[in-house]
Amino acid sequence: DSGVTQTPKHLITATGQRVTLRCSPRSGDLSVYWYQQSLDQGLQFLIHYYNGEERAKGNILERFSAQQFPDLHSELNLSSLELGDSALYFCASSPGPRGADTQYFGPGTRLTVL
Amino acid sequence: GENVEQHPSTLSVQEGDSAVIKCTYSDSASNYFPWYKQELGKGPQLIIDIRSNVGEKKDQRIAVTLNKTAKHFSLHITETQPEDSAVYFCAASFFSGYSTLTFGKGTMLLVSP
Repeated sequence: DSGVTQTPKHLITATGQRVTLRCSPRSGDLSVYWYQQSLDQGLQFLIHYYNGEERAKGNILERFSAQQFPDLHSELNLSSLELGDSALYFCASSPGPRGADTQYFGPGTRLTVL
Repeated sequence: GENVEQHPSTLSVQEGDSAVIKCTYSDSASNYFPWYKQELGKGPQLIIDIRSNVGEKKDQRIAVTLNKTAKHFSLHITETQPEDSAVYFCAASFFSGYSTLTFGKGTMLLVSP
């Protein structure tokens, strides 16, 4: 158990809908990262927050947004969902701001868009 | 940006054999190279990492080697066991600043008893 929690574990929804994925980092960690994992693309970095501020953006679609709250939990919002958004979404946390700090991954949320 | 290639995509070995997974990276500025293990239904877990000031690092049955000139690094697992079966990911990053990890596409390792 990494100490990172993600909810929900599974999510099934329809095209065009909007969903919110939630992540709670390990106690004491200030950084949260979001990744998308699909069979053909592997682990793709989406976005990094450190202590409430956005630090880096990867291949995140404009339909997707994220934020980190004062209690350090983070939410990833996915809107206007398409079939291709079906994937595993992981968050990871680390103590400091560097992207190369050891990242501890949560168990993931499996999103299925029908 | 950084690009990481990982080979092979699938590797099958017999219990007790060694397994080697290789990665190449494109950005010569990268200097941090972690390896993650992902078991079915779980998130990736860091198993070993290496920084560019060393050429090799070992932790029990796992070792990682780095060749900065050729821009490649490898994961070596000796005396493989069935519980080593998982997907392994390499990654690369620049250690300072806010640069993030770029992952390879993964290697599924199957260890047969």
